[in-house]
Amino acid sequence: DADVTQTPRNRITKTGKRIMLECSQTKGHDRMYWYRQDPGLGLQLIYYSFDVKDINKGEISDGYSVSRQAQAKFSLSLESAIPNQTALYFCATSDPQQETQYFGPGTRLLVL
Amino acid sequence: RKEVEQDPGPFNVPEGATVAFNCTYSNSASQSFFWYRQDCRKEPKLLMSVYSSGNEDGRFTAQLNRASQYISLLIRDSKLSDSATYLCVVNTGGSYIPTFGRGTSLIVHP
Repeated sequence: DADVTQTPRNRITKTGKRIMLECSQTKGHDRMYWYRQDPGLGLQLIYYSFDVKDINKGEISDGYSVSRQAQAKFSLSLESAIPNQTALYFCATSDPQQETQYFGPGTRLLVL
Repeated sequence: RKEVEQDPGPFNVPEGATVAFNCTYSNSASQSFFWYRQDCRKEPKLLMSVYSSGNEDGRFTAQLNRASQYISLLIRDSKLSDSATYLCVVNTGGSYIPTFGRGTSLIVHP
């Protein structure tokens, strides 16, 4: 089984709708991240969390919110989706000793 | 100026070729460096860490030049399966917030 899972894998929604993307991990890492990736662009950090009580904004947090329900779960919400939030979204965890990141398979979101 | 810069390519090379990518970073306080590989429409995966003394893993060699603030990735004897996008990642000062380059696309053809 995958160490980092994301649901849904694909989602089509309409402008103005609220949606939630979920991420779960079995690696036992405290640190979790949400990124978006647009074609031709690098990964942009949306939010990150270093433990259950810690939530931090990344470089592009506007229009997004997150919830860290448990060490293993980190959800990303789009309160009112807009077309320019169409992107590929990745969740990741990190190992603090090695500083390497482990990514989920991604969620493809299309906002019409 | 973006903190981590890479030539987007694509680098189009024949099988068996040697190809090298560079990545420059702007923050001199950067401490940890990595190369990730991303296949089309898939998640990034760690290829290798980059150590100050340079390191090698099979056909892949990574180098760090702190004075000039760049890291490099050398791929020898390229395989078709090496076709992917290679992401340069830099961590700064123990924050554990990595900065990703936009990636360099490699296409290996028969």
